[in-house]
Amino acid sequence: NAGVTQTPKFRVLKTGQSMTLLCAQDMNHEYMYWYRQDPGMGLRLIHYSVGEGTTAKGEVPDGYNVSRLKKQNFLLGLESAAPSQTSVYFCASRWTGLGQPQHFGDGTRLSIL
Amino acid sequence: SQQGEEDPQALSIQEGENATMNCSYKTSINNLQWYRQNSGRGLVHLILIRSNEREKHSGRLRVTLDTSKKSSSLLITASRAADTASYFCATVNMNSGYSTLTFGKGTMLLVSP
Repeated sequence: NAGVTQTPKFRVLKTGQSMTLLCAQDMNHEYMYWYRQDPGMGLRLIHYSVGEGTTAKGEVPDGYNVSRLKKQNFLLGLESAAPSQTSVYFCASRWTGLGQPQHFGDGTRLSIL
Repeated sequence: SQQGEEDPQALSIQEGENATMNCSYKTSINNLQWYRQNSGRGLVHLILIRSNEREKHSGRLRVTLDTSKKSSSLLITASRAADTASYFCATVNMNSGYSTLTFGKGTMLLVSP
């Protein structure tokens, strides 16, 4: 099993461009998450989903949109990229149930020029 | 805002020594989790301790929880160079119906051969 796979691994964008980050998991997990990690800031939750067709805002949702059309996929969109969105983006998934651990992908490194 | 705060921010030790990292949090918790992140990789779940537990062991890991002081510690015994990584504590966010975690900023551990 691949676990959690993030596509692409690296991307450089110009300010104002749009793009979509893809997260795919093969563990049949209900819950999926998108985080951003900035130096000295730890991980901050952008959006999450507790099941197919559902999404919810996290701590830093502004400038991002998400969709969960299929259970195994969770897409993160940047409609108009800004330099402040330069970061490493991580996707995670987990089983339902309190205390279930989150399983992470290896991240997408995104630079906005 | 960050729920957990790790201390120290960075720790450098020799192989064979013990490493202790601390985490403080602000509100009541259901459980607290510790994760490890190797450079350039996603986070990996290490251990979970519930609010009604005071100590838990897993291999060379020992976690303690003091809910009266709102703090936890992670002890890695007999450290190895392969333990070099960042370590994060995370608490369940009750405001999201226990669906999400709030991560601290992490402790960077360097174990020298």
